[in-house]
Amino acid sequence: DAGVIQSPRHEVTEMGQEVTLRCKPISGHDYLFWYRQTMMRGLELLIYFNNNVPIDDSGMPEDRFSAKMPNASFSTLKIQPSEPRDSAVYFCASSPTRRGTDTQYFGPGTRLTVL
Amino acid sequence: GENVEQHPSTLSVQEGDSAVIKCTYSDSASNYFPWYKQELGKGPQLIIDIRSNVGEKKDQRIAVTLNKTAKHFSLHITETQPEDSAVYFCAASRGYGGSQGNLIFGKGTKLSVKP
Repeated sequence: DAGVIQSPRHEVTEMGQEVTLRCKPISGHDYLFWYRQTMMRGLELLIYFNNNVPIDDSGMPEDRFSAKMPNASFSTLKIQPSEPRDSAVYFCASSPTRRGTDTQYFGPGTRLTVL
Repeated sequence: GENVEQHPSTLSVQEGDSAVIKCTYSDSASNYFPWYKQELGKGPQLIIDIRSNVGEKKDQRIAVTLNKTAKHFSLHITETQPEDSAVYFCAASRGYGGSQGNLIFGKGTKLSVKP
């Protein structure tokens, strides 16, 4: 299994531009999570999906952030317009729901820099 | 909501010594406690986890203990090696099977193992 795949691995953009981060979860996993990691705030859950449906988006910082999961094998996190304070590493993770197996598997992350 | 405190924030040990990282949690309903290891430039990777019906779990040089009464759990690494150097995160969750909950992470411990 290839694990969770994220793209791009690095993104540098200018303030005001739209940024789209992509994630492919592990096949067969029906939970998908988006996290943001910064030195100041650590790992923060932004949103998670179950069977492609958003379950909890209370961690999404503001309306500039949106996430979609059009099918079981693809999700996007979009920031529009981007701001310098959005600079962070964004992780996607997936998890199966077999009873007793709720371990989350993380992707390699996307390092976002907003100038 | 759940709050997870992790100590220490940095830990330096000599190769061959043991390392202990401690976490406390606030939500008595939490029942799943994973530990993740994050190497530079990579996503967090699960190294061991424990559920509330177990007091201790061991996997080779790594062990985790859980005290539900005191609401704290610890990671123990014995015979440390330079490749153990990384940032370690604890987490707590109510999630289990179909009622997946959020993983709440500690702030992380940077472990350095000196040869």
